[in-house]
Amino acid sequence: TQLLEQSPQFLSIQEGENLTVYCNSSSVFSSLQWYRQEPGEGPVLLVTVVTGGEVKKLKRLTFQFGDARKDSSLHITAAQPGDTGLYLCAGHVTSIKAAGNKLTFGGGTRVLVKP
Amino acid sequence: KAGVTQTPRYLIKTRGQQVTLSCSPISGHRSVSWYQQTPGQGLQFLFEYFSETQRNKGNFPGRFSGRQFSNSRSEMNVSTLELGDSALYLCASSLEQASYNEQFFGPGTRLTVL
Repeated sequence: TQLLEQSPQFLSIQEGENLTVYCNSSSVFSSLQWYRQEPGEGPVLLVTVVTGGEVKKLKRLTFQFGDARKDSSLHITAAQPGDTGLYLCAGHVTSIKAAGNKLTFGGGTRVLVKP
Repeated sequence: KAGVTQTPRYLIKTRGQQVTLSCSPISGHRSVSWYQQTPGQGLQFLFEYFSETQRNKGNFPGRFSGRQFSNSRSEMNVSTLELGDSALYLCASSLEQASYNEQFFGPGTRLTVL
C-alpha cells in the first residue's frame, strides 16, 4: 500500500482546459513537495508546502496543502502542451524518527495536454 | 550553480554482473539520497548519505550499497545484478539544514540488465 496515493493516475485533456491532481495520505507530513518529471529526466521541484491550509501559486499552477497536512492538490489553469509530464507528490513523514532527508513519493499522475 | 550530475547516463549489463553509479551533488549540498524508479513501483528510496555516513536506508537487499566521499560525491553499487534491477536510478542532493527537506534531482542513470 502506497503511503501517498495520487489520483488520477492518468489525465488527458485539451489545451486550455483545467485539471486537478490529488495527493492523499493517512499520515501527517511536515512538508510536501510537488515535482514534474519528463521522460528520461529526473524530477524537477515545483513547490514545497509546509503549513496546513497553505496555498501557493506558480503562474498557472496552484498548490494547496490540507489543513491537517495529510493531503495536497495541484490545480493547473488553462493547461498548455508544455505542462505535459509526470507529476509527483512527495512528503517527509513527521512520525518517522530520524527520517533525515527521506522522501516518500506518490505513484505519480501522468498528464497529457493535447494541442 | 551547476545542478546534480550523474554518470553514466545509460548502462547495459548482464545478470550476475555488478555496477557502480556516480553522483555529484550541487555545490555546498552535503546530503545525497538515492532512489530507484520503475514503472511498477514508482520512486523508491534506497539510502541517504551525509558526511560520509549512511543516515537512512530503504527496504532493498544488501546487494545495493553506497558510499559518500569527503567532497560529498556519492557512488552506489549493485552486485549480482538481476533482471528486476533494470530501472532509472536517481540521485538527489540537499542542504543539511534543507528548507523543509527539499531535494534536487539529477537526470538519472538508466540501467538495463539483460
